[in-house]
Amino acid sequence: NAGVTQTPKFQVLKTGQSMTLQCAQDMNHEYMSWYRQDPGMGLRLIHYSVGAGITDQGEVPNGYNVSRSTTEDFPLRLLSAAPSQTSVYFCASTDTSGNTIYFGEGSWLTVV
Amino acid sequence: GQQVMQIPQYQHVQEGEDFTTYCNSSTTLSNIQWYKQRPGGHPVFLIQLVKSGEVKKQKRLTFQFGEAKKNSSLHITATQTTDVGTYFCAGPTTGFQKLVFGTGTRLLVSP
Repeated sequence: NAGVTQTPKFQVLKTGQSMTLQCAQDMNHEYMSWYRQDPGMGLRLIHYSVGAGITDQGEVPNGYNVSRSTTEDFPLRLLSAAPSQTSVYFCASTDTSGNTIYFGEGSWLTVV
Repeated sequence: GQQVMQIPQYQHVQEGEDFTTYCNSSTTLSNIQWYKQRPGGHPVFLIQLVKSGEVKKQKRLTFQFGEAKKNSSLHITATQTTDVGTYFCAGPTTGFQKLVFGTGTRLLVSP
């Protein structure tokens, strides 16, 4: 039972570089989302998707892009990394009833 | 926009003492969820409350949803070292896939 799988777990980027955080789920969930977690600020929603081909912005979308070509995958792209994007990123998928959110193990990103 | 605040931000207790964290929303919530995050880990779903005034128990954990559906609490009886972590409440904005998380309460339990 893989659940929600995120890669990489740790990454260091230089300012201006781009990268993609990968997220995959094997539970056939329609709903997926990306959060970032910063000290003292809880989890903030970046982007979310209600199904393949459909994405929308969350609370803090600037500097990030997403796509949802399949039900299983929901990658998060950093277009031009900035030190303010240093954070822990969590991918999540939600069951159809909306009762439970399953989080990936997180990706620790440092931008220098 | 909708805001969800939690108090306290941090609490340090001795093993065996009780612990309570409070969650307050600026708007009425259709439901509220609680999550636990161990240090270095990811949030794990604990429970969802839907009805006004609802109370649910999970062993030593008691969850309550306020009558006005704008606040909630999590109470742990006789804490154990395994209870260490950060507890988050979360409520939906427009649709359950857009959850707004509280700021979290970090619990430290000393043996």
